[in-house]
Amino acid sequence: GAVVSQHPSRVICKSGTSVKIECRSLDFQATTMFWYRQFPKQSLMLMATSNEGSKATYEQGVEKDKFLINHASLTLSTLTVTSAHPEDSSFYICSARETGGRQPQHFGDGTRLSIL
Amino acid sequence: AQKITQTQPGMFVQEKEAVTLDCTYDTSDPSYGLFWYKQPSSGEMIFLIYQGSYDQQNATEGRYSLNFQKARKSANLVISASQLGDSAMYFCANNAGGTSYGKLTFGQGTILTVHP
Repeated sequence: GAVVSQHPSRVICKSGTSVKIECRSLDFQATTMFWYRQFPKQSLMLMATSNEGSKATYEQGVEKDKFLINHASLTLSTLTVTSAHPEDSSFYICSARETGGRQPQHFGDGTRLSIL
Repeated sequence: AQKITQTQPGMFVQEKEAVTLDCTYDTSDPSYGLFWYKQPSSGEMIFLIYQGSYDQQNATEGRYSLNFQKARKSANLVISASQLGDSAMYFCANNAGGTSYGKLTFGQGTILTVHP
């Protein structure tokens, strides 16, 4: 089955640091990937849609200068949390979908980000 | 706009028994897809089952089946013969347009606990 790899799985860093999270589709090409944020015991909230070769589409209320998204190839999207602060601490998870038919979105294993 | 409602914050079931997790949706699109995902405590999102709005039959995948009642806009997940490993958070999700590459809207989730 389709596999999406997300790295790193866990990050602990100081306030003010920028953190980059990678999302890769390992055995299929993905023109579109999605980035979600999840707080404990809550649902997934879509942050942005990452489009290969063009600008990401951000959901309302998500700061595009804070959460930089780059989708430079058909298998890789990156989310950079710039100048992270404690309130940015959360679980970030990406997804991608194979083209055609009724393929579901496949998710990475997520990244737990803790800002001290 | 899509809206997914899961009214059961938590459910308990005895091992080997069946359990139904409720999901209702609201969409104005004539073509849409409904998904169920399982999220264990480790955080990864595991795709379980998909139902298309034009599918004539209810979807089934092993021990998972989807009780799709289009007129009531409900898409309940039925897990038969529950196992201890089924304990997890379960999310219902919807995407508009009938193709599964679109944005997913998630419900609030239901925490399922399977007792031995």
